Amino acid sequence: GAGVSQSPSNKVTEKGKDVELRCDPISGHTALYWYRQSLGQGLEFLIYFQGNSAPDKSGLPSDRFSAERTGGSVSTLTIQRTQQEDSAVYLCASSSSRGHGAEAFFGQGTRLTVV
Amino acid sequence: KNQVEQSPQSLIILEGKNCTLQCNYTVSPFSNLRWYKQDTGRGPVSLTIMTFSENTKSNGRYTATLDADTKQSSLHITASQLSDSASYICVVSPNYNTDKLIFGTGTRLQVFP
Repeated sequence: GAGVSQSPSNKVTEKGKDVELRCDPISGHTALYWYRQSLGQGLEFLIYFQGNSAPDKSGLPSDRFSAERTGGSVSTLTIQRTQQEDSAVYLCASSSSRGHGAEAFFGQGTRLTVV
Repeated sequence: KNQVEQSPQSLIILEGKNCTLQCNYTVSPFSNLRWYKQDTGRGPVSLTIMTFSENTKSNGRYTATLDADTKQSSLHITASQLSDSASYICVVSPNYNTDKLIFGTGTRLQVFP
């Protein structure tokens, strides 16, 4: 596809259940980011993948959150034992190059609601 | 401590008027500064990207300025339109990792007819 694709677009889950969110970055983009945005808030960094380097997990809020990126392409963000405070829009972005001015392209996001 | 601060938090203007949004950052040294526009329910879309050596960058009715000495940037919107209603987010990349994006919390702009 031409852009970053995220699925599902909406997810409603019961408290305590596990969820998986998927991100298909733009083909060839080496960098991939996950952010979340709570209602009315700014974007909160979660995790960043760059090529084959170890991911920057410094933004993951708890050990219930994990992410992987298989084959340097598709990424999955997993939230275990979901809590109501996990409700947010989860955004994925990818970019193509290192160095100055690399533009990051965002997907439409997955709206997660924990009931 | 937020490394990228934006002001105002929200702004209401009438269609056709100009406005200026502010971004102050403490990220240092930094590599580039970007402004994104985020429509409600959508992902952010890049408006401008400026490296540390650039002072101004325009994209249609949007003009971004950068003062690396004072660590300030502004986004000026000329002749606002209803479609400009969105959140505008300032994003800074540090020099030690130019792919890392540090987001401000954004300015929510509403343009009324």
